[in-house]
Amino acid sequence: KQEVTQIPAALSVPEGENLVLNCSFTDSAIYNLQWFRQDPGKGLTSLLLIQSSQREQTSGRLNASLDKSSGRSTLYIAASQPGDSATYLCAAYNTDKLIFGTGTRLQVFP
Amino acid sequence: DTGVSQNPRHKITKRGQNVTFRCDPISEHNRLYWYRQTLGQGPEFLTYFQNEAQLEKSRLLSDRFSAERPKGSFSTLEIQRTEQGDSAMYLCASSANPYEQYFGPGTRLTVT
Repeated sequence: KQEVTQIPAALSVPEGENLVLNCSFTDSAIYNLQWFRQDPGKGLTSLLLIQSSQREQTSGRLNASLDKSSGRSTLYIAASQPGDSATYLCAAYNTDKLIFGTGTRLQVFP
Repeated sequence: DTGVSQNPRHKITKRGQNVTFRCDPISEHNRLYWYRQTLGQGPEFLTYFQNEAQLEKSRLLSDRFSAERPKGSFSTLEIQRTEQGDSAMYLCASSANPYEQYFGPGTRLTVT
C-alpha cells in the first residue's frame, strides 16, 4: 500500500530564504508525482507535475525533483515571499488515484 | 475559464439531513474523481468514474454515500443521514488520462 510522508509538517522562515520541502513515498512504482498548494479553506492549486520519466520540473521560483529509486521528491522554493505562505501537498499517482501526504504548512514572515 | 466547477461551495446542514454536491468536469475529460479532506490531513480518495461507469470505491465510502455520473458528464455525491464526522472538504477532479488530474475549488461541508 502506497504511503506518502511529508517533512517537515510545519515551517516558518523569514522572507528571502531558499527552502526545501521533502516528500517520500513507499512504493517506487509510481506514475507521476504532483505538488499542490492549498490556501486555508480553499481547494488545490497545481504547482508542478513530474512525469515518471522525468527527474525534475521548474516553474518560476519553484523546482521539483523526483528520485523514484529512493522514493523521494523535493520542492525547492527560491527567495521565499510572504505570499508563498500556504500548505504544500505532495501526491503520488498510484494506479488510477492520487495518494496524498499530509502536507507542509509554510509561513513566510516579512 | 472552463475548469472543474463544484457547487455549492459551502454547505451547512444539521445532523441527520441529506446533502448533495455537484461536480462539473472539464468538458473533454472522461475520468472524474471524488476526494475528501478533513482538517489537517491530505485529501483521501473516495471514488472515480470513467465515463458513466463507477470503477472504484474506497472503503471510506460508507453505505450512506452514493455517487453518480448519469451521462458521463457531471457527477453528484450524496450523503444521507449526515453525521458530524462527515464535516470535511469534498474535492472533485477530472482528467483525460489517469496521471494528471485537475481539481475543482471544493465543497466545504459543516454538519452541526
